[in-house]
Amino acid sequence: EAGVTQFPSHSVIEKGQTVTLRCDPISGHDNLYWYRRVMGKEIKFLLHFVKESKQDESGMPNNRFLAERTGGTYSTLKVQPAELEDSGVYFCASSPVGSAYEQYFGPGTRLTVT
Amino acid sequence: GQSLEQPSEVTAVEGAIVQINCTYQTSGFYGLSWYQQHDGGAPTFLSYNGLDGLEETGRFSSFLSRSDSYGYLLLQELQMKDSASYFCAVSDQAGTALIFGKGTTLSVSS
Repeated sequence: EAGVTQFPSHSVIEKGQTVTLRCDPISGHDNLYWYRRVMGKEIKFLLHFVKESKQDESGMPNNRFLAERTGGTYSTLKVQPAELEDSGVYFCASSPVGSAYEQYFGPGTRLTVT
Repeated sequence: GQSLEQPSEVTAVEGAIVQINCTYQTSGFYGLSWYQQHDGGAPTFLSYNGLDGLEETGRFSSFLSRSDSYGYLLLQELQMKDSASYFCAVSDQAGTALIFGKGTTLSVSS
């Protein structure tokens, strides 16, 4: 069984540019989460999809962040325009229904905004 | 506010036993999970406590006391490969996102 995959693994962009991160969850997992870890800080929740619906987006920092989950499969997280404070590692995780405490994480996308 | 407190660093030698504590203060509580992360990679699920008491999974055990808002991860027969960061995480409701602590860096030496 393939795990959660994320693309790209690294991205370096300039302030003001746009970046789109992609996450492919484990097949059959209805729950999909985005998290972010800024250097030296804890892993922080951004948002949660159940299938294609946004269940909770209370962790999204501001309206420069837009997440979608087309057809309840893969998800994208777009940052537009990027700011310096957006730098960090963005993790995607998925879990089956009823098992949110055991989430399967992807390797993360390391975003650097210069 | 919501917060989880755990030690920032722990060191131990191979074969030893280590306990990583976690205290939490959250608006809701459904359960406490533990995750391991090597070198900034994908966090990996280790254990979950939804009820008070001890859960054992091989060399790792986890404990929860809801009345004390406290839990711990116990690692026995430490190996070099156990050197990693360990995170406690709270689910505040069923089926929702995890709230993570800042992580404990465990260094195991020979």
